[in-house]
Order: sequence, then structure tokens, then C-alpha cells
Amino acid sequence: SQTIHQWPATLVQPVGSPLSLECTVEGTSNPNLYWYRQAAGRGLQLLFYSVGIGQISSEVPQNLSASRPQDRQFILSSKKLLLSDSGFYLCAWKAGRMNTEAFFGQGTRLTVV
Amino acid sequence: GQNIDQPTEMTATEGAIVQINCTYQTSGFNGLFWYQQHAGEAPTFLSYNVLDGLEEKGRFSSFLSRSKGYSYLLLKELQMKDSASYLCALQGMDSNYQLIWGAGTKLIIKP
Repeated sequence: SQTIHQWPATLVQPVGSPLSLECTVEGTSNPNLYWYRQAAGRGLQLLFYSVGIGQISSEVPQNLSASRPQDRQFILSSKKLLLSDSGFYLCAWKAGRMNTEAFFGQGTRLTVV
Repeated sequence: GQNIDQPTEMTATEGAIVQINCTYQTSGFNGLFWYQQHAGEAPTFLSYNVLDGLEEKGRFSSFLSRSKGYSYLLLKELQMKDSASYLCALQGMDSNYQLIWGAGTKLIIKP
């Protein structure tokens, strides 16, 4: 069966510090991978998605970047965090075909102080 | 573009039935998904509709009408653990099969 791991679960970082959130998927190959951010009481905002190794599409211009160094690994990074980067970050994977559901990691609660 | 609307918050009583609506404006989509999200947790998949009509899964059912541009999630025999946000999402027509998300409806269950 497929599983998705995302860590850490919570993170408190000072303004200006770097960020690295990691997400790995097991039990499937060539998944579509996604990074979302969710503000409190709001919907999911797509930040990045990837359909293959080294292929990253950015949906929203921002202070963040993403990389996919391996087929089942997706990393969200920042060189210098801003207060506005605080939020709930979710990694998800989905099979690259129609009408298949997305599966989410546990999420990372990031607080920039 | 695509736009998805859901009520922000609803309240219902334990044991009752509640219908959560999702309306959308889009030029086309492949399927419509419903997810449940408890506070502080990741969303989990509930159901999806491709064709018009009702899909039933135990206490939860989802309905789609493409001609009327709406879907609803029906929750029966409500339990306290059903208190959560319910997210509606459309799978777009692009080749990357992305999901476009509504803001979610927070459902509060009272005893």
C-alpha cells in the first residue's frame, strides 16, 4: 500500500532563517507531488507541483522554492523565512491520471517568529 | 477560470442529517471530490463524482449535477466525530490533473 511521510509535524523558526520540509512517498512510482499551504480557516493554496524528477511548477510567486531530487521525494525550502510564511503546509501525492484522489501527509505547522 | 463556493460554517445536531453544498463556475472538469479535514490534521478523501447522480458510501453520500453546477455532501446519523471541515475540489481538465479546492465548510455538531 502507498504511504506518504512528511516531517517535521511542527516547527518554530525565527525570521530570516532557512527552511527545509521534506516529503517522501512509498509504494508507488512516478507520482504527481504537491505542496500546499493552508491559512487558518481557509482552503488549500497550491504552492508547487511536480510531475517528475527535476520538474517543478510554481503556482504562486513567493519566498519559497521546491525541489524533487528523487522520484518519491519532494522538498520545500526557503533561504530566509518571513513572518507571512507561517501556516500549515501539506504535501500530497496523486497518481498521474484522471479521477484519482490525492493523499496527504500529516502536515507541518510552521510558525515564524 | 474556476471558482468554487461553499458555506463557511454550518451547525447540526447529533443524530440528524446535514447537507453541505458546493457550487462552482468552470468551463469544464473531470470529477468532483469531497474531503474531510479535522482541525490541525490533513484532509482525508471521502468520495468523488464523475457522472451526475448520487454516490453513497455508508453514512456519507455525494451528489453531482453538472447542468446545475453544484454538488452536495450528505451526512446522515451525525456523530460528534463528524465535526470537521469539508472540502470540495474539482479535478481540472489540464494534463496534470490538478485539484482546485474550495475554502471548505466548517461543520459543528452539537449534542
